[in-house]
Amino acid sequence: EAGVTQFPSHSVIEKGQTVTLRCDPISGHDNLYWYRRVMGKEIKFLLHFVKESKQDESGMPNNRFLAERTGGTYSTLKVQPAELEDSGVYFCASSVRVPLGNEQFFGPGTRLTVL
Amino acid sequence: KQEVTQIPAALSVPEGENLVLNCSFTDSAIYNLQWFRQDPGKGLTSLLLIQSSQREQTSGRLNASLDKSSGRSTLYIAASQPGDSATYLCAVPGNAGNMLTFGGGTRLMVKP
Repeated sequence: EAGVTQFPSHSVIEKGQTVTLRCDPISGHDNLYWYRRVMGKEIKFLLHFVKESKQDESGMPNNRFLAERTGGTYSTLKVQPAELEDSGVYFCASSVRVPLGNEQFFGPGTRLTVL
Repeated sequence: KQEVTQIPAALSVPEGENLVLNCSFTDSAIYNLQWFRQDPGKGLTSLLLIQSSQREQTSGRLNASLDKSSGRSTLYIAASQPGDSATYLCAVPGNAGNMLTFGGGTRLMVKP
């Protein structure tokens, strides 16, 4: 069974540009999460999808970040326009829906560098 | 608001030593606690998930314990090997059983 995959693995962009990150969860996993780790800080939650619906987006830093999960399969996270402080590693995770608190499986992450 | 702390932040041991990594959390109303391993430049690998009703969980040379009432978990690694060198993270889900709150991690170096 394929794990969680993320694309690209690395992205280097200039301030003001747009970047779109993609996550493909494990097949059959209704829950999809985005997390981020910026340099020297803990991994922080960004948002949670249940199928195509946003369940919790309390961790999204600001309106420059837009996440979608059309059709309840893969998800994209767009940053527009990117700022220097957006640099970090963006992780995606997925889990089955029930019961609550199920094990989350993480992808390899996308390392974003904003210059 | 849940806060997760890991001590020590870094640890260096000689090969063969048994070691304990610590994780503490402020809100004891948790569903479970998950231990992860992260290798440099790689994603997170789930090591053990210990349910709130369990006291401990074992996988090979790894043993995780959970004491909800005191807000603590430990990860015990027996007979450490250089291949165990990595950052170890613990995380707990929120009240709705969804988003994970992570500790800062313990960076482990096992010297041959």
